[in-house]
Amino acid sequence: QVTLKESGPALVKPTQTLTLTCTFSGFSLSTSGMCVSWIRQPPGKALEWLARIDWDEDEYYTTSLKTRLTISKDSSKNQVVLTMTNMDPGDTATYYCAREIAVSAKFDYWGQGILVAVSS
Amino acid sequence: DVQMTQSPSSLSASVGDKVTITCQASRHISKALNWYQQKPGKSPKLLIYDASTLEAGVPSRFSGSGSGTDFALTINSLQPEDIATYYCQQYDNLPLPTFGGGTRVEIK
Repeated sequence: QVTLKESGPALVKPTQTLTLTCTFSGFSLSTSGMCVSWIRQPPGKALEWLARIDWDEDEYYTTSLKTRLTISKDSSKNQVVLTMTNMDPGDTATYYCAREIAVSAKFDYWGQGILVAVSS
Repeated sequence: DVQMTQSPSSLSASVGDKVTITCQASRHISKALNWYQQKPGKSPKLLIYDASTLEAGVPSRFSGSGSGTDFALTINSLQPEDIATYYCQQYDNLPLPTFGGGTRVEIK
């Protein structure tokens, strides 16, 4: 049974750095073709893909936020960490992690999401 | 980047109706398209991948079609539990997937 769960702060101040952790089970991020992505959704708005880390350590980022994002993994702990620097109120959103199958880029399992508000 | 345009942005239909949602890509993406359902307050759920393949466990009233730039998600016989927002997602421009703006489906 595949599960993912996001954890991190519910509130951050502008200019701070956000660190989110995705803890997963039921699959190995060391298995060829396995990836974990982060996707966010501002309140009432559409989904936006942010970043992905692959079984072979490759990392990918959305163009518009590339300079602010870092994704990493700890396969021994079954965790993926996303950091986003210089947070702004416009970054207020629910942040999801999802398992992604590399070739088809289908997000077949999702975490429950974590709502992060950016406010002073 | 490949832009995905969904229409309509929202619709209201009766139980039992046939509902069709469209998704248009800004360039040719072959069949590199997935569909998701997001119920209120929940995480998205994969419905269809590769434009027309039903994910395991998804009811057969859902179907996907299209290739190139024009795609459709059809719900045959809309049910109350289908109330949700539906998103398309392209993966032709890997590894940079993009989502459509979403279509909200309501019951009349």
